[in-house]
Amino acid sequence: AQSVAQPEDQVNVAEGNPLTVKCTYSVSGNPYLFWYVQYPNRGLQFLLKYITGDNLVKGSYGFEAEFNKSQTSFHLKKPSALVSDSALYFCAVRVVFGSSNTGKLIFGQGTTLQVKP
Amino acid sequence: GAVVSQHPSWVICKSGTSVKIECRSLDFQATTMFWYRQFPKQSLMLMATSNEGSKATYEQGVEKDKFLINHASLTLSTLTVTSAHPEDSSFYICSARAIGVYNEQFFGPGTRLTVL
Repeated sequence: AQSVAQPEDQVNVAEGNPLTVKCTYSVSGNPYLFWYVQYPNRGLQFLLKYITGDNLVKGSYGFEAEFNKSQTSFHLKKPSALVSDSALYFCAVRVVFGSSNTGKLIFGQGTTLQVKP
Repeated sequence: GAVVSQHPSWVICKSGTSVKIECRSLDFQATTMFWYRQFPKQSLMLMATSNEGSKATYEQGVEKDKFLINHASLTLSTLTVTSAHPEDSSFYICSARAIGVYNEQFFGPGTRLTVL
């Protein structure tokens, strides 16, 4: 079964400090991994994705994520946090069954990022 | 580009009535649309996958007769919550995938449904 886990319900960081939001995955085959951000009462906004290639993926708003195959992780990072980064962050994995590619995403439980001034 | 809209953004209805939520891809054609449900401070739960011109595929545990999904065109999918009850109150989010693009989904802004 394919799944994704976000071990932290909440991450607190001071503005200007680096931030990390953790994500681990379990897939059969090659992983297709995504990060999304959600602001209150809004839909999801795409941040970045890993399909293949470089392990360090750069995305929107200065975020990046590092794909680590041996640790089955895809942690989200940003060198310097902003108060406006405070939101709910979701890691997701795309479901692939053999040659079937439905595009279904399975989401982690979400991590609330709180950046304090 | 790649904008997905939902209408209405919020709706309040009485128990027993039906509510229709629209999901539109504004600047691309979406062969596949997904409907999610999200409870407060929780993750998104996939309810169903709809493909244009065919019946939706529902996830296990989702009542087909209660959550009617129609994907009549390449830019519109609708979710109808029939005979709504207070426990159906939730945040409903749709997403759309463009033709031939499997690695990207675009999400709508969500619809807040409150059933009294």
